[in-house]
Amino acid sequence: AQSVTQLGSHVSVSEGALVLLRCNYSSSVPPYLFWYVQYPNQGLQLLLKYTSAATLVKGINGFEAEFKKSETSFHLTKPSAHMSDAAEYFCAVRDSGGSNYKLTFGKGTLLTVNP
Amino acid sequence: EPEVTQTPSHQVTQMGQEVILRCVPISNHLYFYWYRQILGQKVEFLVSFYNNEISEKSEIFDDQFSVERPDGSNFTLKIRSTKLEDSAMYFCASSAVRTSTDTQYFGPGTRLTVL
Repeated sequence: AQSVTQLGSHVSVSEGALVLLRCNYSSSVPPYLFWYVQYPNQGLQLLLKYTSAATLVKGINGFEAEFKKSETSFHLTKPSAHMSDAAEYFCAVRDSGGSNYKLTFGKGTLLTVNP
Repeated sequence: EPEVTQTPSHQVTQMGQEVILRCVPISNHLYFYWYRQILGQKVEFLVSFYNNEISEKSEIFDDQFSVERPDGSNFTLKIRSTKLEDSAMYFCASSAVRTSTDTQYFGPGTRLTVL
């Protein structure tokens, strides 16, 4: 069964510093991959998704992620953290074939941005 | 911007009681989902629903759970006899189409506490 692992349940960065949130997937075929963000008291919002069109995916709020098949990774990055980026980030995977449309999520990474 | 809404935001119930969690998906969406997140654990898929039928369900979604679209706007999750282990955040999601690359839009969640 496919799965994702998010390394680090909590990441803390300074404002202006690089943000790197890690996600590794386990799937027998290259899957479709998603990053969602959850701000306090809000729903999960899609940041970006990989659908095999391009390995480097740009999303909202300056975030991007690179699909690396050799490393089975889809890490999320942002060059310069802003205070408003503080939130919980979820990586999710979905099979690229068949009729299975459910998302399988990682445990989430809480991002703290320090002034 | 259209959004998925959920009510109530927090529900407290006694073990053995029935609860109904309500969701209003985005108006032109046809596919509906419930996920849940037990505190400290991953977001888990429960069920997907289309055309008044369950499309997929997980092992978690046993006979105690049911879903319904009682009218043209609401999508509900019913738990017949709640257990302590049903305490979790429940997320509703909807999508316009049902493909491997479509975006599922999530509501803010209902926190269910079973005492």
